[in-house]
Amino acid sequence: EVQLVESGGGLVQPGGSLRLSCAASGFTFSIHWMSWVRQAPGKGLEWVANIKQDGSEKYYVDSVKGRFTISRDNAKNSLYLQMNSLRAEDTAVYYCARALYGDYSTFDYWGQGTLVTVSS
Amino acid sequence: SYELTQPLSVSVALGQTARLTCGGNHIGSKNVHWYQQKPGQAPVLVIYRDSNRPSGIPERFSGSNSGNTATLTISRAQAGDEADYYCQVWDSSTVVFGGGTKLTVL
Repeated sequence: EVQLVESGGGLVQPGGSLRLSCAASGFTFSIHWMSWVRQAPGKGLEWVANIKQDGSEKYYVDSVKGRFTISRDNAKNSLYLQMNSLRAEDTAVYYCARALYGDYSTFDYWGQGTLVTVSS
Repeated sequence: SYELTQPLSVSVALGQTARLTCGGNHIGSKNVHWYQQKPGQAPVLVIYRDSNRPSGIPERFSGSNSGNTATLTISRAQAGDEADYYCQVWDSSTVVFGGGTKLTVL
């Protein structure tokens, strides 16, 4: 059974940092593109970043470029999101999502999300 | 940047057909994916690449895409179909989601 389990969310002050993790199991992690997608309270979905199977390509939404870094460790079946210089508008549930095999932007499995709250 | 436009809300009578639209410039030339999200839950892929259903998604869900509009059609709507629905495309190295449509089953 495919499972994606996010962790690392919490309350952080503006300007602070947080590192999210996503533990994958039940599939061959190393052959899938992976993404982070977020959802602010009461709002719609917003894609944050994605990363190629071997980590050689990464793409970001403009609003997080230079502040967030996506990475992965295929040996540990894990996806990460390092978030720096956090702002109030980064407050959201952050989902880890797997792309269909052979695809990079169709998300067939999602985790349950981890809440990040940026507030003083 | 590319924009996808979805109506905020759509209502459908129980057992009838709901059509949810997603507008975008020449969206017919792109692959469109649809997600269903129920309150407090993660999104679920219900249609990918315009008209394909993942395993486990009922045949009542179908999709089409042409010109400037993609459409998710839900036949014989059930109470359990009540949810938010999001369309999504890939454009210029970014993933773009529509704003979402809240489907109410009356």
